[in-house]
Formats: sequence, structure tokens, C-alpha cells
Amino acid sequence: EPEVTQTPSHQVTQMGQEVILRCVPISNHLYFYWYRQILGQKVEFLVSFYNNEISEKSEIFDDQFSVERPDGSNFTLKIRSTKLEDSAMYFCASSEAGRVGSPLHFGNGTRLTVT
Amino acid sequence: RKEVEQDPGPFNVPEGATVAFNCTYSNSASQSFFWYRQDCRKEPKLLMSVYSSGNEDGRFTAQLNRASQYISLLIRDSKLSDSATYLCVVKWEYGNKLVFGAGTILRVKS
Repeated sequence: EPEVTQTPSHQVTQMGQEVILRCVPISNHLYFYWYRQILGQKVEFLVSFYNNEISEKSEIFDDQFSVERPDGSNFTLKIRSTKLEDSAMYFCASSEAGRVGSPLHFGNGTRLTVT
Repeated sequence: RKEVEQDPGPFNVPEGATVAFNCTYSNSASQSFFWYRQDCRKEPKLLMSVYSSGNEDGRFTAQLNRASQYISLLIRDSKLSDSATYLCVVKWEYGNKLVFGAGTILRVKS
């Protein structure tokens, strides 16, 4: 079964540093997403991406965050200047279509630890 | 009021038991509904979509009550491997994002 893959599985960085989290969505999927989950809390939406542009973003997704699809397969999340509170599990997801009823398929996540 | 509300549990049940989880959502314009399962420190995995007429997948049955803005999941003949956090997830009519509940913890014991 096709999968969403994420790298790295764990990233440790110092406060103020830039990090890039990488994802390879399922190949025939058109919609891409980033979610995050702070330890012990619920999964939160960050951003959705379609047709090479952001289609929706949450209030969490401020100016320090950006997303990019640099080629035909990768989808990246960049955090420009990390803060302690950015420590979380970051999940990439993709869906075949944006239509109602189309489920999201999640990657196995990148655990980001900011020290 | 939370957008998607679930009883956090934990529900501790013996193997073979039947257990039911409930979920309420606040946005009446919500259009799609799902149950996801999440194991500790792992990604959410789609368990099943929830359809208006109700639907069943093996030991799992999902129901939707739009009038009451209420979703349920019934697990019959619980297995040890069913132990996980069950996430109620709603997609609004506009936009593509999923809104997650905080999850209900299920522990099945032998």
C-alpha cells in the first residue's frame, strides 16, 4: 500500500536555528498538509497546500513557517527560527482529492525537539 | 465549546467486551466524519469513514446523527490489539482541513 514518508524521524535543534522537515506524499495525491501534535495534546492543523500554493492555514502557521514543493515529489515544512514551544511531532499528510469525504493519509511523523 | 469533543477515558475493558465511544461536534456545516486510531507516539491511521446511514467494518460500527451533531464508534469483541487512542475527526464543508478531537483512550486487558 502506498505510504506518506517523512524524514528525519527525529530532529534535535537549538532555539533560533532553522529546520526543514521533509515529506514525500503518495504519488497520485494532489492535496498536502502539515499537522503537529505537542506531547499529550491533540493533533492540530497547520497548513494545506494545493496546486503549488497554500489553500488554508491556521493561526499557528505564522511568518516563521513556510512550505514548499521544490520538485514533483517532495513537500517541505521550514521553521525559520525555532522556539522551545515548537517542540512537537510534525505529521505530513496527503489526500487524493480535496472533496468532501476524501480521507487524509498520514506519514509516520518527525519528532522535533528544540533545546 | 470545543470544535470536536470526546470523553478522554481511559476505557479499561476485558478482551471480548463491547465498547462504545461518543463524539460531538460544534460546526453544523461539517460534512465528512472519520474515526482515526493513534498508537502511542505514532501517526493517526484511518480506521473508517462515517456515513449518514451508518456503516460497519468487521467488528467496528460507526453511526452519525446530524441532528444532534453526534458520532459514535462501537467496537465488538475487543482484542488486546485494539488498545489505542481513538480520534474523532471532522472535515468542514469549506476548506480541506481535518479538525481532531483530543481522543479517547482504550485499554483492552486479558
